[in-house]
Amino acid sequence: QSVLTQPPSVSGAPGQRVTISCTGSSSNIGAGYDVHWYQQLPGTAPQLLIYGNTNRPSGVPDRFSGSKSGTSASLAITGLQAEDEADYYCQSYDSTLSGSYVFGTGTKVTVL
Amino acid sequence: EVQLVQSGAEVKKPGESLKISCKASGYSFTSYWIGWVRQMPGKGLEWMGIIYPGDSDTRYSPSFQGQVTISADKSISTAYLQWSSLKASDTAMYYCARRLGYCSGGSCNNWFDPWGQGTLVTVSS
Repeated sequence: QSVLTQPPSVSGAPGQRVTISCTGSSSNIGAGYDVHWYQQLPGTAPQLLIYGNTNRPSGVPDRFSGSKSGTSASLAITGLQAEDEADYYCQSYDSTLSGSYVFGTGTKVTVL
Repeated sequence: EVQLVQSGAEVKKPGESLKISCKASGYSFTSYWIGWVRQMPGKGLEWMGIIYPGDSDTRYSPSFQGQVTISADKSISTAYLQWSSLKASDTAMYYCARRLGYCSGGSCNNWFDPWGQGTLVTVSS
């Protein structure tokens, strides 16, 4: 069902920078709809990480940043920490699915 | 503090009915849409549908239309997700989440925050 594609996994050593891509199409990201990101720590509910492509809610470290271009978006984590090991999901809106919200396929970040 | 607290885990048999809840606090319940999201075991997030408690306007993902019913009781600030006849394939964690952002001219830029802690539904004979 996911119409936003993410890499299944990315990994990095502590302190490194990793990026997660989120690829959509002309009916969602490419149509100008914002992309939002969620972090899901093991065994917990998702939490908002980035909203409106680039904005961090209060309390989210500035190690996390988002960007968007064309039909894709990216989440970057700089200065990777052990506590960042989690699943990450992008989310947007799709105009062709009866006005549905869509999530990415999810990316598991592993800290080596 | 804005909070969504969901009802506890459920174990049901195929064919049984079920209604799980999501109680909101810390904000005006009738002013924000609340959505439901499914996460099957080991899988990703799937948007199911959304309700505006102010007037009970409800929208469903095409994948879940006719499979579940979303409702709300504004007198007790609680949203619900219900099934009339469960299947083994309904086994999953279900989350509620408040919708933020805006819609204009039929298109929307919305995100979900906060999320409830989740309700695990297990359907097994």
